[in-house]
Amino acid sequence: RKEVEQDPGPFNVPEGATVAFNCTYSNSASQSFFWYRQDCRKEPKLLMSVYSSGNEDGRFTAQLNRASQYISLLIRDSKLSDSATYLCVVNKRGGFKTIFGAGTRLFVKA
Amino acid sequence: EAQVTQNPRYLITVTGKKLTVTCSQNMNHEYMSWYRQDPGLGLRQIYYSMNVEVTDKGDVPEGYKVSRKEKRNFPLILESPSPNQTSLYFCASSPTLGAGNNEKLFFGSGTQLSVL
Repeated sequence: RKEVEQDPGPFNVPEGATVAFNCTYSNSASQSFFWYRQDCRKEPKLLMSVYSSGNEDGRFTAQLNRASQYISLLIRDSKLSDSATYLCVVNKRGGFKTIFGAGTRLFVKA
Repeated sequence: EAQVTQNPRYLITVTGKKLTVTCSQNMNHEYMSWYRQDPGLGLRQIYYSMNVEVTDKGDVPEGYKVSRKEKRNFPLILESPSPNQTSLYFCASSPTLGAGNNEKLFFGSGTQLSVL
């Protein structure tokens, strides 16, 4: 079983739609959680950190459920420019390893 | 401009011919790391370094070497490349890791390596 698992998609949604991505992690010692965005063949870029209390940044909302070892990303009012691959990322407690999920591909269509 | 610089962007080589991919950061970051990305597998960590002269293996270190003689540079060395090392490689740096929220990774633009 992979340490970080994501639905690979692709998710095909129309502009303006709300879309949700899920991610599960297997190591309960995981400490920090992030969502990165990656455009085709380009470097990943941090979208947002994920906090236990949940956090929001504009149209993006991230939530963490430590008991279920589950992370989510909600995108509201999808834009064409949101088309990308979204990577769930986990850092282990006290460690120096970053574990990436394989990513969820999103296509937003006009 | 704060950045991680990776070179070359594209590299085609033949089996067994030693090569080095360079990575340099100008942000005085302590932590640097190398990843390879393959379809369906996501990014997998090859090696990482917590500081000068301190390196450790990631999840897929076989066939690779690294060095960290200076804080800003973290080259990836393939002594005898093989076709299964054909991949997209990313270098990344961070101020530190394992220290809470200050763990954002800054990535280089990537190196597409093809080993024939």
